Amino acid sequence: DGGITQSPKYLFRKEGQNVTLSCEQNLNHDAMYWYRQDPGQGLRLIYYSQIVNDFQKGDIAEGYSVSREKKESFPLTVTSAQKNPTAFYLCASTPGTSNEKLFFGSGTQLSVL
Amino acid sequence: GESVGLHLPTLSVQEGDNSIINCAYSNSASDYFIWYKQESGKGPQFIIDIRSNMDKRQGQRVTVLLNKTVKHLSLQIAATQPGDSAVYFCAENRSPAAGNKLTFGGGTRVLVKP
Repeated sequence: DGGITQSPKYLFRKEGQNVTLSCEQNLNHDAMYWYRQDPGQGLRLIYYSQIVNDFQKGDIAEGYSVSREKKESFPLTVTSAQKNPTAFYLCASTPGTSNEKLFFGSGTQLSVL
Repeated sequence: GESVGLHLPTLSVQEGDNSIINCAYSNSASDYFIWYKQESGKGPQFIIDIRSNMDKRQGQRVTVLLNKTVKHLSLQIAATQPGDSAVYFCAENRSPAAGNKLTFGGGTRVLVKP
């Protein structure tokens, strides 16, 4: 089955720790995205990548970092600089870079210990 | 509607009735709009989309209406079923020249009463 796989489903971070969320897609999509969702709110764009080895900041990139070394993988690192990391993180992809619907993964819930 | 803080607007609808979910968008240059359904603890699922050169598009039990004059988007669900209970998000592409960057509204919770 083709799709987007996020792991882990639940993740806990200690203060001062960096954690990395995994996102893998086997849809052969060019573009990948990371969104953050807080309770009762919409999705906010953290980072996106339209091509391998290139990525751009979204609206709330501070405290996060990404890499795009392979087309199918777009990991997100939540650094210790992100002071309020508790949220639901969603990865998405699209076939190209023009107006198209996003395909979402099932999300990772990150909480602070 | 749009959310305010942690309190999502909620639409309660009787099973079998039609539901209408509204969304106001802000950028008159937006040229692509989309509706997603999100169940608790899951990723959003695509429902239907519409481009700005259209004012209506129909899918299976769903219809999206676009009114560019007042910058308003609505999703109509016919014969609402218990499985339709979820949070519904509208999104617009505010930067068509910059590629596919969707901006999401705050969401509306739909509760279907049996």
